[in-house]
Amino acid sequence: DSGVTQTPKHLITATGQRVTLRCSPRSGDLSVYWYQQSLDQGLQFLIQYYNGEERAKGNILERFSAQQFPDLHSELNLSSLELGDSALYFCASSVTDGANYGYTFGSGTRLTVV
Amino acid sequence: EDKVVQSPLSLVVHEGDTVTLNCSYEVTNFRSLLWYKQEKKAPTFLFMLTSSGIEKKSGRLSSILDKKELFSILNITATQTGDSAVYLCAVGDAGTALIFGKGTTLSVSS
Repeated sequence: DSGVTQTPKHLITATGQRVTLRCSPRSGDLSVYWYQQSLDQGLQFLIQYYNGEERAKGNILERFSAQQFPDLHSELNLSSLELGDSALYFCASSVTDGANYGYTFGSGTRLTVV
Repeated sequence: EDKVVQSPLSLVVHEGDTVTLNCSYEVTNFRSLLWYKQEKKAPTFLFMLTSSGIEKKSGRLSSILDKKELFSILNITATQTGDSAVYLCAVGDAGTALIFGKGTTLSVSS
């Protein structure tokens, strides 16, 4: 157990729907990062929050949004889902604002859009 | 555009073989290079390298960084079936998010 908790582990939904993925960071970590992993693209950075504030954005689609709550857990909202959104979504956390010293991953949420 | 390129993309070896995985990078403000191992799900941390020429070792795994030539290698000696996994290389720059390569899939047969 890495200490980073992601729920749900699996999600199957239809095109056009909206889902919410949840992440609880490791105790003491203030930064949360969201990544999407697909077979052909590898791990793609989506967005980072630090202590409740958005810190950095990667290749996140406008249909996707995220937030970090006062208790530091984070949610990634995916809407108007398309088949191509099927992927493994990882959350990771770190103590500092920067990821230069690495971070700890959760076990991921596998999203299947049918 | 910052990028991290790993080679080979996949590798099949026999138990006991030694393997070398490669990672080259182009980033604007390099800070660190990290190696992760991904089996079924979450990537797990192996090494972090920040200085050239200093080898990091953990059991049968070792890694070294060359900041002049912008690459790193991960060596695994006396491979075992449990080493079968995807090995990910990531680079931290002055920004906040790690940039990952696509990974090398290692399969070790008995």
